[in-house]
Amino acid sequence: NAGVTQTPKFQVLKTGQSMTLQCAQDMNHNSMYWYRQDPGMGLRLIYYSASEGTTDKGEVPNGYNVSRLNKREFSLRLESAAPSQTSVYFCASRRQGEVGSGYTFGSGTRLTVV
Amino acid sequence: AQSVSQHNHHVILSEAASLELGCNYSYGGTVNLFWYVQYPGQHLQLLLKYFSGDPLVKGIKGFEAEFIKSKFSFNLRKPSVQWSDTAEYFCAVISTGGGNKLTFGTGTQLKVEL
Repeated sequence: NAGVTQTPKFQVLKTGQSMTLQCAQDMNHNSMYWYRQDPGMGLRLIYYSASEGTTDKGEVPNGYNVSRLNKREFSLRLESAAPSQTSVYFCASRRQGEVGSGYTFGSGTRLTVV
Repeated sequence: AQSVSQHNHHVILSEAASLELGCNYSYGGTVNLFWYVQYPGQHLQLLLKYFSGDPLVKGIKGFEAEFIKSKFSFNLRKPSVQWSDTAEYFCAVISTGGGNKLTFGTGTQLKVEL
């Protein structure tokens, strides 16, 4: 089925460990986004990529890096995980320039940092 | 910077009661407005969206929302809720400049009791 695929679905890390969250979409969307969801705070944008080859910081970029590997894939890396990064991470994509186009979200990665 | 406010953080209703969830945004330019729903343990799904035209927008599962430009509001309504509507609801707005970033409100947790 077409959509946004995120891996892994669950992950537990120790403080200081690194990991990469993977995201891929097969809808030929230009723009891709990483959000984190925390209770009472809604979803906050970490990084986004308006088009292949570009990335920009969102609202809460500290402690994260991203790579837009190609049009399909947009990965999020935690170089040295901290307990404050315990969250649910959602990847999303959108067809840039399409008026009224909504975002399509992946099913999320639940990350716990101990 | 744009912002989205959802004033009701937790709402508890009995089945068949009417629902109205408030949403206000701060951006004064052209807006695209969305309501997303997140059922327990699932990812976000689009309920409805507004980008132009009729300010009364109808979405899936009997939900509707009204865009009132003068009040910067986009409230979500449903005449008669069901137990299956128990979920978290997010209002969101897209900025019309720079990356089309979707900004979310903090969410409203709706619990419908039998």
